[in-house]
Amino acid sequence: GAGVSQTPSNKVTEKGKYVELRCDPISGHTALYWYRQSLGQGPEFLIYFQGTGAADDSGLPNDRFFAVRPEGSVSTLKIQRTERGDSAVYLCASSFTGSHTGELFFGEGSRLTVL
Amino acid sequence: GDSVTQMEGPVTLSEEAFLTINCTYTATGYPSLFWYVQYPGEGLQLLLKATKADDKGSNKGFEATYRKETTSFHLEKGSVQVSDSAVYFCALISQGGSEKLVFGKGTKLTVNP
Repeated sequence: GAGVSQTPSNKVTEKGKYVELRCDPISGHTALYWYRQSLGQGPEFLIYFQGTGAADDSGLPNDRFFAVRPEGSVSTLKIQRTERGDSAVYLCASSFTGSHTGELFFGEGSRLTVL
Repeated sequence: GDSVTQMEGPVTLSEEAFLTINCTYTATGYPSLFWYVQYPGEGLQLLLKATKADDKGSNKGFEATYRKETTSFHLEKGSVQVSDSAVYFCALISQGGSEKLVFGKGTKLTVNP
């Protein structure tokens, strides 16, 4: 597709379950980002990939959160032992050159609800 | 750490009214500054940016000037349209190679006909 695609658009799970969120970036974009947006807040940085490697994962809140990008394209954000506080919209963005140009292209997000 | 503070919303205006959304920031050095917009049902998209002091970013009739002396990047538009209804986010990237965008909380704008 032409834009950043995220699946699922909505996910409802129970506390303690494992969740995977997928991001398909714009073709040719080497930089990929995950952000988390809680209700009434702006997006908060989680992790940044350049190619296959996580260049900066300093925003991941704890070791229950993990992300991969094995072939330098699609990325998966994995959340283990989900907690109610993990409920948020998880945003993925991609960029051709990196965020200093400001040209991040965001997907519509995956809304996660942990009951 | 770096932070962005935006005026509280929501903001409701009539069509053709003048818009200002205030944004101030805290950061060391000279960050790059951005306004992103999220239209209903769509992803965030870059509206405009400024990368050094006194630069003016502009797009779609919107403008913002990077003011180092007041650490501000206020968004303005002279005559809003119904189609400008959206949530607006001010953001910065720190000087020095960081890839992290730091966002404000967002300001929801509704423009009535």
